Amino acid sequence: GAVVSQHPSRVICKSGTSVKIECRSLDFQATTMFWYRQFPKQSLMLMATSNEGSKATYEQGVEKDKFLINHASLTLSTLTVTSAHPEDSSFYICSPLGPDGNEQFFGPGTRLTVL
Amino acid sequence: QKEVEQDPGPLSVPEGAIVSLNCTYSNSAFQYFMWYRQYSRKGPELLMYTYSSGNKEDGRFTAQVDKSSKYISLFIRDSQPSDSATYLCAMVGRGAGSYQLTFGKGTKLSVIP
Repeated sequence: GAVVSQHPSRVICKSGTSVKIECRSLDFQATTMFWYRQFPKQSLMLMATSNEGSKATYEQGVEKDKFLINHASLTLSTLTVTSAHPEDSSFYICSPLGPDGNEQFFGPGTRLTVL
Repeated sequence: QKEVEQDPGPLSVPEGAIVSLNCTYSNSAFQYFMWYRQYSRKGPELLMYTYSSGNKEDGRFTAQVDKSSKYISLFIRDSQPSDSATYLCAMVGRGAGSYQLTFGKGTKLSVIP
């Protein structure tokens, strides 16, 4: 299967700071990237969809100015949580769409804890 | 009513048991059905993928889809402790624009040695 990396795997930060999460598809090029958030004992909730070189499309209820997505290349996408607050503490997972457009692959996730 | 319903469990079974995991859905536009396995603090990994009613087998895993009843199942035979994880069903609908999965809540499975 495809290899997807996320960095950092875990981050703890103070309220008000910004955190950047990187997602890389290591052995394929991903035109489309999905970003999910998963709260404890909850399913994955789609936050936004981005296509390389275009602005991301955000799901209803997700603040685009708070969750900045940059899909600058076919192998790298970043999610920046700006001015993080404790309620932003969650498990963030990136998911690039595979090269044939029929399968999503998932990164290992980033555990964000905002104190 | 949520588009995809999945009993969150937890489900605890002895090693060697047959496990049955289920999801129901309400959107008749769903055409593709997946099962993902997610270990604690890890991203999901695809287990099974099917698009037609009927059964699909892969080793100890069997995915079953009944489109008339809007019901899908994942069976695990001869369950092993290493099968202990959360299992998520996911679905994709035709005409959804970009490819997008709708996930169930996940069922947490524990296989006891």
